[in-house]
Amino acid sequence: KNEVEQSPQNLTAQEGEFITINCSYSVGISALHWLQQHPGGGIVSLFMLSSGKKKHGRLIATINIQEKHSSLHITASHPRDSAVYICSRRRYSGGGADGLTFGKGTHLIIQP
Amino acid sequence: DSGVTQTPKHLITATGQRVTLRCSPRSGDLSVYWYQQSLDQGLQFLIQYYNGEERAKGNILERFSAQQFPDLHSELNLSSLELGDSALYFCASSPRYWAEYNEQFFGPGTRLTVL
Repeated sequence: KNEVEQSPQNLTAQEGEFITINCSYSVGISALHWLQQHPGGGIVSLFMLSSGKKKHGRLIATINIQEKHSSLHITASHPRDSAVYICSRRRYSGGGADGLTFGKGTHLIIQP
Repeated sequence: DSGVTQTPKHLITATGQRVTLRCSPRSGDLSVYWYQQSLDQGLQFLIQYYNGEERAKGNILERFSAQQFPDLHSELNLSSLELGDSALYFCASSPRYWAEYNEQFFGPGTRLTVL
């Protein structure tokens, strides 16, 4: 079992819909990272979260440390949001990173 | 454009060969990270350097090695290549020691194909 589980694996929605992608992790973290990978392969960092909620434009990320769960929401989705969204757990232990573990990604397609 | 550059963009080579992938971080960033993305394993963290020193190691094979030079660019060396090493290799950089509270900026990746 992967330490970081994402759901759903695949999601197809219509333009304008509210999108939620979930990430659960089994080990304590220092921070959780959401990444977006475009169809061409490029990766963009969306959010780094250690608590609470962050918002950037139509994207919102939340994290619940006690429940070991994070969600990425997209409001008023648009075809240009079509991408793979990857969640990554970071764990830091003094002398260096204890490890970086990635989820397998959620393939999102927004149809016009 | 993230400001992180990687060369080459594509690399095709044969099993048993050795290749070097290069990464130039964003201006002023001291940390460089290397990642491998394959179809079956997804994204995996390989190694991190900070200001020339190795700081964290992930799932990096013994056949692979990396270094960060005084000008902060980094190279990932892959030797005795196997078919399973075919993957996208990403480099990322961040300003500080560990991107725990600051984001990483990813390069465009190098697609390695081992035939």
